[in-house]
Amino acid sequence: AQSVTQLGSHVSVSEGALVLLRCNYSSSVPPYLFWYVQYPNQGLQLLLKYTSAATLVKGINGFEAEFKKSETSFHLTKPSAHMSDAAEYFCAVSEWGAQKLVFGQGTRLTINP
Amino acid sequence: SAVISQKPSRDICQRGTSLTIQCQVDSQVTMMFWYRQQPGQSLTLIATANQGSEATYESGFVIDKFPISRPNLTFSTLTVSNMSPEDSSIYLCSVWEDRGPGELFFGEGSRLTVL
Repeated sequence: AQSVTQLGSHVSVSEGALVLLRCNYSSSVPPYLFWYVQYPNQGLQLLLKYTSAATLVKGINGFEAEFKKSETSFHLTKPSAHMSDAAEYFCAVSEWGAQKLVFGQGTRLTINP
Repeated sequence: SAVISQKPSRDICQRGTSLTIQCQVDSQVTMMFWYRQQPGQSLTLIATANQGSEATYESGFVIDKFPISRPNLTFSTLTVSNMSPEDSSIYLCSVWEDRGPGELFFGEGSRLTVL
């Protein structure tokens, strides 16, 4: 069975600082990996996805993530945090060809002025 | 990208009643999914709804509690039956859009509070 572990339920960074949100996955087959963002009182929006092409994936709003098979990780980064990045971030995994996603517990990102 | 509309966006319900959530998509999609997000929690898949067949429920979810309809390729409903306070959650409709590797799109969610 697939699973996702997000390290840190709450991350706080200063505006302009590096954002690093950690995600480790478990999958018996090659995975698809996703990062979604949820702003308050809204649905989920896709930030980026890994689907077996380039291991470094660039997404919207300046975010990127690197797939590291040896570490079973898919950490999300952004070089410089902006106040508008404050939100809940979810990492998710699915099997190739499977359309059901398994979500991590989420990480709430707070940006300090 | 698919645009998904859910109704109601929020509601306050009494214990023991049932509520039906509607999900409308602006394009035809094969697979629709219903997720639950309990307060402060992640998303948990309730069921997969394919047009023309019975919904497939995940472990811990049953049809009597969460009946689902999928009458056509752009619409689905989820009913939360005989509600209790433990059913207070955000219920999210999502669709898989097959463009390349595919992507899961979400509606805004329906926030239910059960008193």
